[in-house]
Amino acid sequence: SQQGEEDPQALSIQEGENATMNCSYKTSINNLQWYRQNSGRGLVHLILIRSNEREKHSGRLRVTLDTSKKSSSLLITASRAADTASYFCATVGYNNNDMRFGAGTRLTVKP
Amino acid sequence: EAQVTQNPRYLITVTGKKLTVTCSQNMNHEYMSWYRQDPGLGLRQIYYSMNVEVTDKGDVPEGYKVSRKEKRNFPLILESPSPNQTSLYFCASRDRLQETQYFGPGTRLLVL
Repeated sequence: SQQGEEDPQALSIQEGENATMNCSYKTSINNLQWYRQNSGRGLVHLILIRSNEREKHSGRLRVTLDTSKKSSSLLITASRAADTASYFCATVGYNNNDMRFGAGTRLTVKP
Repeated sequence: EAQVTQNPRYLITVTGKKLTVTCSQNMNHEYMSWYRQDPGLGLRQIYYSMNVEVTDKGDVPEGYKVSRKEKRNFPLILESPSPNQTSLYFCASRDRLQETQYFGPGTRLLVL
C-alpha cells in the first residue's frame, strides 16, 4: 500500500524559478527520503531526513519534515531544465524493511 | 563502478510462459528488493530479502517468486505471467546499516 502521497501530481515552471513538492504520509516513520527518476529510468536517492530532524539542505535542495502534520516538502531552488524529472517521497518505518513510495510529482522545467 | 544491474531491460512475452528477470549488485549489500511501477501508483514492493536464504513478501507478492541463493543475486520469477503483470520492474539494494537504496535501471515487461 502507498504510504506517501505527493502533491501536486504535476508541476511546470520556468528555468530559474523555485519548485516545491509536498508529501503527506499516514503512519509513524523512522525517516523520509526523496528520490528522483528521469523518464523510465531507475530512481536516484536525493536526500534523507530523519524523524527527529526538521530541515535539511543539500546543494539546491531543501527538505522539511513536520511529523505532527505527517508531511514533508522538497524545495528545489533556481531550477534548471535538467531538473525535469519525477520526484518521489519514500517513508521508512522503524523496522527499516518497509520503504513505501508515493505516486510522485512530475516536474517540468522550461528553458 | 558500484551498480545494480537487471536483465533483460525489455521483454515481451505471452500469458503463461515462465520468465525470470535477473538482478545483480556488486556492492556486497545484504538487503535487496523488487518493486513494480505502474502509472499513478508509484512504486510498490513485491518481495524483499534481508540476506541470503531470507526472503519476505512485500505489498504485492501475488504471481511472483524470488530466491536469494547468493548475496549478489536476487532473481524475480513469474511462473505464469498474466497481462496484469505488465509493468516496469525495479530491483534495489542497500547495505544493512544504510537506509538509502540503489536502484537498477528497470525492466519493462509486456505480457500479451
